Amino acid sequence: QVQLQQWGAGLLKPSETLSLTCAVYGGSFGDYYWTWIRQPPGKGLECIGEINHSGNSNYNPSLKGRVTISVDTSKNQFSLRLSSVTAADTAVYYCARGRVSGDFDLWGRGTLVTVSS
Amino acid sequence: DIVLTQSPATLSLSPGERATLSCRASQSISSSLAWYQQKPGQAPRLLIYDASNRATDIPARFSGSGSGTDFTLTISSLEPEDFAVYFCQQPNKWTRFGPGTKVEIK
Repeated sequence: QVQLQQWGAGLLKPSETLSLTCAVYGGSFGDYYWTWIRQPPGKGLECIGEINHSGNSNYNPSLKGRVTISVDTSKNQFSLRLSSVTAADTAVYYCARGRVSGDFDLWGRGTLVTVSS
Repeated sequence: DIVLTQSPATLSLSPGERATLSCRASQSISSSLAWYQQKPGQAPRLLIYDASNRATDIPARFSGSGSGTDFTLTISSLEPEDFAVYFCQQPNKWTRFGPGTKVEIK
């Protein structure tokens, strides 16, 4: 059974860089879009960006060039970096497996990232 | 960008009742719509994909319908574990998710 396990720092100061990693266990990267999604407390879901096994990535323009998603296929992992964080970046961050059909069939458990001085 | 709206924002029902949730797209998305369930403190779980296909291990009481711009998620008879928030989602970047409908116990 394929599982996603994610980790990373949960408390950051303004202007620091958020860094999270998601590992894929029990399966390969295959023909999926490995995606980061976030959810501010009490709010809805926002796609941050995605990457495929070839390293081709796409990012939400609303994040204005602060995002980098990378992949390490040798470790079956993909990572998120979000620079210059502010309080508005406080959210639960999820990694997810996106299918060609456009939906997300597998999710990590989520990491609460709080940005506070 | 395609925008999804969901109604109602909150649905107050009793166990055993039928729940009907609506999702509307600002332009046609054919049948490319998914539904998710999210419980407090948990990640969303895929329920329905391509508007009407149940995901793996999803009970038959969940069904989806619609195409174009209007979609419906129906829970035929609410179980206690079904009280949660439900999101619809379309594949176009980057406004993918609707704002959600909370199904609460009446």
